[in-house]
Amino acid sequence: GAVVSQHPSWVICKSGTSVKIECRSLDFQATTMFWYRQFPKQSLMLMATSNEGSKATYEQGVEKDKFLINHASLTLSTLTVTSAHPEDSSFYICSARKGTPSGNTIYFGEGSWLTVV
Amino acid sequence: AQTVTQSQPEMSVQEAETVTLSCTYDTSENNYYLFWYKQPPSRQMILVIRQEAYKQQNATENRFSVNFQKAAKSFSLKISDSQLGDTAMYFCAFMRRETSGSRLTFGEGTQLTVNP
Repeated sequence: GAVVSQHPSWVICKSGTSVKIECRSLDFQATTMFWYRQFPKQSLMLMATSNEGSKATYEQGVEKDKFLINHASLTLSTLTVTSAHPEDSSFYICSARKGTPSGNTIYFGEGSWLTVV
Repeated sequence: AQTVTQSQPEMSVQEAETVTLSCTYDTSENNYYLFWYKQPPSRQMILVIRQEAYKQQNATENRFSVNFQKAAKSFSLKISDSQLGDTAMYFCAFMRRETSGSRLTFGEGTQLTVNP
């Protein structure tokens, strides 16, 4: 397997402030990471694809100025929720693609619960 | 575009029994991967099993095995000797076999409950 670590697991922030969530691949280099949002009892919704050294690719309907993604190294991608509002409260989860001679596999972080008050 | 369908929103099974979760997908690709992920109440997404489309042999991981029918575009998960810890949401997922741009397409999920 592989290890992807996400931090923080839980965060509460005030409305109007910004909050950063980190996603790290601990035992492999990941040129590509993904950020998802998950609503209760629903599947994962892809927000954006984070590419090391270049701009993230956002899915339709996701505000790139609100959800800032930075992938500055091969082991770290960050998601910053700017000017957070209560409707941004959700479960956010990242994943990283690991390439092997037999192909690619996607491993997930533990997820982060964001509550905006 | 690819789609993944899990037609069973909820399933339950008695401890120690066997259960099969269904998954179908639609794609025009020939080379791809299929996955089953487990999401327990902790919300961590855990890789259960991975299948490469070019392999005819069904993947197995201990108590977990798949029935991969490429022509029928079917990828079911069989859990043998079910344990209470298997209670979770299970997601079937598809990914194209390319080195860049690959991403997962998920099904809607199946909530599995293992009863004592």
